Amino acid sequence: DTGVSQDPRHKITKRGQNVTFRCDPISEHNRLYWYRQTLGQGPEFLTYFQNEAQLEKSRLLSDRFSAERPKGSFSTLEIQRTEQGDSAMYLCASSLLVGYEKLFFGSGTQLSVL
Amino acid sequence: GENVEQHPSTLSVQEGDSAVIKCTYSDSASNYFPWYKQELGKGPQLIIDIRSNVGEKKDQRIAVTLNKTAKHFSLHITETQPEDSAVYFCAASFSGAGSYQLTFGKGTKLSVIP
Repeated sequence: DTGVSQDPRHKITKRGQNVTFRCDPISEHNRLYWYRQTLGQGPEFLTYFQNEAQLEKSRLLSDRFSAERPKGSFSTLEIQRTEQGDSAMYLCASSLLVGYEKLFFGSGTQLSVL
Repeated sequence: GENVEQHPSTLSVQEGDSAVIKCTYSDSASNYFPWYKQELGKGPQLIIDIRSNVGEKKDQRIAVTLNKTAKHFSLHITETQPEDSAVYFCAASFSGAGSYQLTFGKGTKLSVIP
């Protein structure tokens, strides 16, 4: 079963450093989403792609955040000049472009900014 | 934007009893309501979903009901088992007009006591 894969699972960084996360969606899925989840909260939408096009971004996604999906397959999420408030679980999900959105999530990347 | 309220935040039940988790949403345009189960260290897993043209849906021991007029929807788990222990999230979205972001509740931590 090739589910949604995220790498790394854990990342510890110092404030001010840049970090990049990777997501590999389910192979036939053409939509890819990034969500952020902090302790005790539900996931919050950050952005989504349909194929390689980034179609929607949340106001939560500051200028320090950038996401790409260069060939419509895997995606990367980069955070520049990390801040302690960026500490969270970053979740990737994918879905098929068919009617209602059944999102399938990966296990996430846990980011800790010291 | 959409706002989803979820209650209770924690729920303990004896093995074999039923568990009910309730959610309300604010945007009457929302038309898709999934429920996710999240185990420790894992991403959310879709367990059941319902669309606005349906009032109830059942899948083995789990069921979801939707009251569009009151903007309420609920998850019912019967004959609970220890492996049902997890955090459950409800979510709502409007699938259409190019917007596909899910808005999640804050989660319910379910503990099933053997």
